[in-house]
Amino acid sequence: GDSVTQKEGLVTLTEGLPVMLNCTYQTIYSNAFLFWYVHYLNESPRLLLKSSTDNKRTEHQGFHATLHKSSSSFHLQKSSAQLSDSALYYCALSDRPNTGYQNFYFGKGTSLTVIP
Amino acid sequence: DTTVKQNPRYKLARVGKPVNLICSQTMNHDTMYWYQKKPNQAPKLLLFYYDKILNREADTFEKFQSSRPNNSFCSLYIGSAGLEYSAMYLCASSPGQANTGQLYFGEGSKLTVL
Repeated sequence: GDSVTQKEGLVTLTEGLPVMLNCTYQTIYSNAFLFWYVHYLNESPRLLLKSSTDNKRTEHQGFHATLHKSSSSFHLQKSSAQLSDSALYYCALSDRPNTGYQNFYFGKGTSLTVIP
Repeated sequence: DTTVKQNPRYKLARVGKPVNLICSQTMNHDTMYWYQKKPNQAPKLLLFYYDKILNREADTFEKFQSSRPNNSFCSLYIGSAGLEYSAMYLCASSPGQANTGQLYFGEGSKLTVL
């Protein structure tokens, strides 16, 4: 079945250093969508990025990710971490086209802590 | 308004007692989901409604019930809570466009079973 793997459970970074959170996935569907959701403490998880296009970089709020279907990866990156980036980050996959509804599969999440 | 609201935000329940969690959205989304989130685990899909059709995951089929009396409202019902039900329960909705829609989450309902 479909699955999403986020290797790092906890990442601690010093402010100003680059961020890279790993995400790999498995799916039988060639046109699946990949998402990054961010969950700040005491808030709702919200969408950060999404993509279904191979080898195309997508950006939002300083973060970027490129879907690589050849390696089934969708790593989240940012050039310079900020204290406000501290949050829980989920990588997710949706599949089942043309059924009218979507199934979403989540990774375990990576908790990012940025320190001064 | 793109908010999904959940009530209660915090729930304390005794083992063996029922629990009812409520979710609402005003975006006219046709799909509403319930996820269970435990520490260091991926959010686990429990069930979802696509319009009026309830889909429940096989491994949680008997543990959770749900109702959707109208498009905006969806509940999650536990008939007899056990300690293993302690978790954060996240409700989400989606406009249901195949493979393009995103999930809109509520803030969650944290259930503690004692």
